[in-house]
Amino acid sequence: QLQLQESGPGLVKPSETLSLTCIVSGDSISSSSNYWGWIRQPPGKGLEWIGSAYYSGSTDYNPSLKSRVTISVDTSKNQFSLKLSSVTAADTAVYYCARHSIFGGNNFDYWGQGTQVTVSS
Amino acid sequence: DIQMTQSPSSLSASLGDRVTITCRASQSISSYLNWYQQKPGKAPKLLIYVASILQSGVPSRFTGSGSGTDFTLTISSLQPEDFATYYCQQSYSSPYTFGQGTKLEIK
Repeated sequence: QLQLQESGPGLVKPSETLSLTCIVSGDSISSSSNYWGWIRQPPGKGLEWIGSAYYSGSTDYNPSLKSRVTISVDTSKNQFSLKLSSVTAADTAVYYCARHSIFGGNNFDYWGQGTQVTVSS
Repeated sequence: DIQMTQSPSSLSASLGDRVTITCRASQSISSYLNWYQQKPGKAPKLLIYVASILQSGVPSRFTGSGSGTDFTLTISSLQPEDFATYYCQQSYSSPYTFGQGTKLEIK
């Protein structure tokens, strides 16, 4: 059974870089059928796709965040990571990692449980 | 970006009711429309993809339809576990965008 697990600091200071990791178990991150993505949800609000990455290193980012986002894949550890720089209070959210299934119509079919990140000094 | 608009934003219904949620895209997205269910404090769960294909393990009381710009999610007979927030998501083009959500509450 595929499982994804986010980890990282729950509190980040303004202007610093948010860093999260998603460990994947039950599937190879090198699968040709999938990208691996990050989605966030501010408190009481809807879902925002941040970006996705392929095992080869190819990436696709939301233009609204593109200048601050880096998503990378580590095939040796079967995990992928998110870095979001120059954070502000507006980046406070629950961050989810998810499998981005290409051949399933480009959907997010498996999700981590989410991790709360608060931006505050 | 393609804008996704759901209606209604909230809905009250009773057990056994048939309910329909609508999602409209700002431009044609063919059938590249997915539906998710989210319960409080939990991650979203994929229900339907490519407008009408039921994800494995999802009860058959959930059905999706539509193409182009207009889509619907129908729950044929509401069960207690169906009270949640539902999101549509277009997967036609990047950036992949979600609707604002429809909160389904017990009447």
